[in-house]
Amino acid sequence: DQQVKQNSPSLSVQEGRISILNCDYTNSMFDYFLWYKKYPAEGPTFLISISSIKDKNEDGRFTVFLNKSAKHLSLHIVPSQPGDSAVYFCAGGYGQNFVFGPGTRLSVLP
Amino acid sequence: NAGVTQTPKFQVLKTGQSMTLQCAQDMNHNSMYWYRQDPGMGLRLIYYSASEGTTDKGEVPNGYNVSRLNKREFSLRLESAAPSQTSVYFCASSPGGDYGYTFGSGTRLTVV
Repeated sequence: DQQVKQNSPSLSVQEGRISILNCDYTNSMFDYFLWYKKYPAEGPTFLISISSIKDKNEDGRFTVFLNKSAKHLSLHIVPSQPGDSAVYFCAGGYGQNFVFGPGTRLSVLP
Repeated sequence: NAGVTQTPKFQVLKTGQSMTLQCAQDMNHNSMYWYRQDPGMGLRLIYYSASEGTTDKGEVPNGYNVSRLNKREFSLRLESAAPSQTSVYFCASSPGGDYGYTFGSGTRLTVV
């Protein structure tokens, strides 16, 4: 049973447009959410986080939205750049234990 | 550069062999983790150590053992490798609680 789902394995977006990556979770105990970006042959790097007491968190071109009632979060990247092409993992959790989704591969086309 | 260092980067084992994956962090983080990443599965927690001297099982601990040698180092041991343990292994650390993690670059392990 996957507690964190990223139903789109891949996404292609034109440079300069908005990228929206979606994530759904099932565990209502999750109170913190993370997004990670991973380039090939490298470890994941932390991108942005959101606490369950918020519904939005922004950091530059990256914004994460949380809809607790729907158990859904999304990552918006605007404007998208070719360097954003990577695999994006979302994770939900509480305390020490986070559960990661399977990832979405984003391709930003020049 | 400060961060998480994993060794080795690549390893091929025969079924039944044993090995230890090493991980060290120099950020004075309390918590350390071992994950495995398989295609379509995302990252799955094998074991974690919330603080020096403690270890706990994660989602997929079977076939693995860990040692939190000191605050810096957290090793993962495969006593008798199996093909199902072919994966990419990531070590991570965090200050603790809900802070973002720092990951190592991964160890690609193949068991034949």
